[in-house]
Amino acid sequence: KNEVEQSPQNLTAQEGEFITINCSYSVGISALHWLQQHPGGGIVSLFMLSSGKKKHGRLIATINIQEKHSSLHITASHPRDSAVYICAVWDTDKLIFGTGTRLQVFP
Amino acid sequence: DGGITQSPKYLFRKEGQNVTLSCEQNLNHDAMYWYRQDPGQGLRLIYYSQIVNDFQKGDIAEGYSVSREKKESFPLTVTSAQKNPTAFYLCASSINRGETQYFGPGTRLLVL
Repeated sequence: KNEVEQSPQNLTAQEGEFITINCSYSVGISALHWLQQHPGGGIVSLFMLSSGKKKHGRLIATINIQEKHSSLHITASHPRDSAVYICAVWDTDKLIFGTGTRLQVFP
Repeated sequence: DGGITQSPKYLFRKEGQNVTLSCEQNLNHDAMYWYRQDPGQGLRLIYYSQIVNDFQKGDIAEGYSVSREKKESFPLTVTSAQKNPTAFYLCASSINRGETQYFGPGTRLLVL
């Protein structure tokens, strides 16, 4: 079993839909990252959080430390949101990455 | 413009050859990292460096070597000892270990 599990693995949506991507982890962590990987391969860090909730534009990330679970929400999704979204957790001294959720948003 | 650059974008290597992937950052970050990405798997850490002239092995260091002679540069050499080198390689940096990491555009290595 992977230490970081994401669901779903693949997700398709119509433009404007509300999107939720989930991340569960089994290790004790100091922080959790959400990353976005574009089709060309480049990765952008979206959020780093250790408690509560963070918001940036149409993106919202939440974390529940007790339940070892985080969610990434996208409101009013747009085709340009199509990418792979990766969850990663800090375990003592290294980042452990999930395998990613591939999101496709159609017009 | 501050950022991380990796070159080349695509690299072809014949079996038995060593090849060096470049990673440069002008963000004045102390920590730098090399990751490998394979289809269907999460990123895996190859090597990391927290300061000039010091680096540590990650989870999959066998068949790879690095150097950190300058703060801005952290080149990765894929040696002939790496049995399955075809992959996408990503370099990243952060102010300190544990902080937000900034990624380069990646180098796709293909062994012919």
